[in-house]
Amino acid sequence: QKEVEQNSGPLSVPEGAIASLNCTYSDRGSQSFFWYRQYSGKSPELIMSIYSNGDKEDGRFTAQLNKASQYVSLLIRDSQPSDSATYLCAGEYNFNKFYFGSGTKLNVKP
Amino acid sequence: SAVISQKPSRDICQRGTSLTIQCQVDSQVTMMFWYRQQPGQSLTLIATANQGSEATYESGFVIDKFPISRPNLTFSTLTVSNMSPEDSSIYLCSVEVMDTGELFFGEGSRLTVL
Repeated sequence: QKEVEQNSGPLSVPEGAIASLNCTYSDRGSQSFFWYRQYSGKSPELIMSIYSNGDKEDGRFTAQLNKASQYVSLLIRDSQPSDSATYLCAGEYNFNKFYFGSGTKLNVKP
Repeated sequence: SAVISQKPSRDICQRGTSLTIQCQVDSQVTMMFWYRQQPGQSLTLIATANQGSEATYESGFVIDKFPISRPNLTFSTLTVSNMSPEDSSIYLCSVEVMDTGELFFGEGSRLTVL
């Protein structure tokens, strides 16, 4: 059973702060990991993909991957109210199957 | 990325009827998938749509209930058959882009079964 575990939240941060979202995964064979943002009533939107150990930065977003610890995180710097959404962590296995965590709800307070 | 058109965006259906959801992508993609997202829950993979052959279903999903077609590389349909209120959900078409291996989603079809 492939699993991705996320804290469901809600995670509340003040505007301008750093939001830290975390997930762990069960399948050591997974090579690729993804973070999606999902606004209420909308479909998931890809934010970041990460394939190698270490950090990957894209604007205000930084994804971190630690394969030894089976841990993936997403940092959002200078959080904005528009970042308020549910963030889904996903892993890929068998080269084409994606499995998703239950999501962490982020609330950025003005 | 990929532009994915999915329709209908929403529908209200009667118990026992069937509904077909269509998914069109603007470029050729290797993989197309159908997911379900029940209220307040995460995404569950229903099946992988295979071009020109039978779809590959995940545990708990069967072809008689969720027949899928994929006649070419850019189009797929999912039918929800003999619907019951438990089928009320959002159904999402997704595609994996060849170059990046990233997965993108259509806007979803919100189905309500009365």
